[in-house]
Amino acid sequence: KAGVTQTPRYLIKTRGQQVTLSCSPISGHRSVSWYQQTPGQGLQFLFEYFSETQRNKGNFPGRFSGRQFSNSRSEMNVSTLELGDSALYLCASSAIEGTRETQYFGPGTRLLVL
Amino acid sequence: QKEVEQNSGPLSVPEGAIASLNCTYSDRVSQSFFWYRQYSGKSPELIMSIYSNGDKEDGRFTAQLNKASQYVSLLIRDSQPSDSATYLCAVPSGGSYIPTFGRGTSLIVHP
Repeated sequence: KAGVTQTPRYLIKTRGQQVTLSCSPISGHRSVSWYQQTPGQGLQFLFEYFSETQRNKGNFPGRFSGRQFSNSRSEMNVSTLELGDSALYLCASSAIEGTRETQYFGPGTRLLVL
Repeated sequence: QKEVEQNSGPLSVPEGAIASLNCTYSDRVSQSFFWYRQYSGKSPELIMSIYSNGDKEDGRFTAQLNKASQYVSLLIRDSQPSDSATYLCAVPSGGSYIPTFGRGTSLIVHP
């Protein structure tokens, strides 16, 4: 099976712009989660989508939003970019194995805001 | 706020030694525990999951879980320079499968 894919892999934007990142989960996985990773804060949960609905949400401002399509592909959008949004954005798709769920990460999108 | 704590390290061990990585968590009802390995500039890769008290072995890796003491550890036997990476402990809080990640422990295996 192909793994989780994310596009683009690298992105440079300037303050005030907006950005859209894309994630395709492992085939058959219906849950997609997004994380932000920075050296200062570590891995922080943004939100999770399941069957086109946001099921869980972390503590990020409304500038961060997402959606999921009927084929389980997901996008996240960040509007009005700030310097502090520079980070590695990771997407993870979840497998249900018995009664447990395990997350598998994509390669990430590295965003630099200038 | 559910917390997952790890010593940031770096933990430096010689090649061939046993590396011991520890993690404590605050949510007593957590049921699933994961270890991810993250190489510099790469994304986290799942290496172990454990759900029951005791030890779980997979090749050179052993995960140990003690729910009463709320800690989970990862042992790497016969450490190799290729094991040099940051190891992240992930623990979903009770009632959720969304994991909270520790900050990670940096492991350096020197020849």
